[in-house]
Amino acid sequence: DAGVIQSPRHEVTEMGQEVTLRCKPISGHDYLFWYRQTMMRGLELLIYFNNNVPIDDSGMPEDRFSAKMPNASFSTLKIQPSEPRDSAVYFCASSSRDGQPQHFGDGTRLSIL
Amino acid sequence: LAKTTQPISMDSYEGQEVNITCSHNNIATNDYITWYQQFPSQGPRFIIQGYKTKVTNEVASLFIPADRKSSTLSLPRVSLSDTAVYYCQSWGRGTGRRALTFGSGTRLQVQP
Repeated sequence: DAGVIQSPRHEVTEMGQEVTLRCKPISGHDYLFWYRQTMMRGLELLIYFNNNVPIDDSGMPEDRFSAKMPNASFSTLKIQPSEPRDSAVYFCASSSRDGQPQHFGDGTRLSIL
Repeated sequence: LAKTTQPISMDSYEGQEVNITCSHNNIATNDYITWYQQFPSQGPRFIIQGYKTKVTNEVASLFIPADRKSSTLSLPRVSLSDTAVYYCQSWGRGTGRRALTFGSGTRLQVQP
């Protein structure tokens, strides 16, 4: 079975530009999570969805960040406008149901110049 | 803040057994306890999960006492390739974002 697929793997862009990160969860998984990892702050939960509905977005840093899940097989995390402090590795994960292990993608390494 | 607490780092030698303990004092009835391993430049990878007592798979064992307020990940005969960061997590229905927030993890360094 294919795991969680994220794209792109790497993104380098200039500040002020819009950035869109994409995620395809494992088929049949009801939960989807977006995390951000930095050396300073570790692995932070940004937002998570259950059955395509956002459950908790209180971890989204500010209004520049938005996430959508238009269907069960696709989610996006958008940053507009991007800033250098958004540079991090962004992970998407999915889980089959409450409490079950999260399966993480390989991440998107984002660099904002 | 994460719902769990674990040591920041541990050192070991090849061939030794390593035990990493996690404290989750606020564990809820619905929560499962899960451990992950993360290598640099990769996402966390599931190792083992349990609800109570002992669980064993091909790579590790998980010990959970009756009160479930802690858990211990046991790695038998570690090798250099076990050098990684290990995270514990407890979450289930209704336990919210704090349960899904990872702590700092335990950085395990295995020496030859």
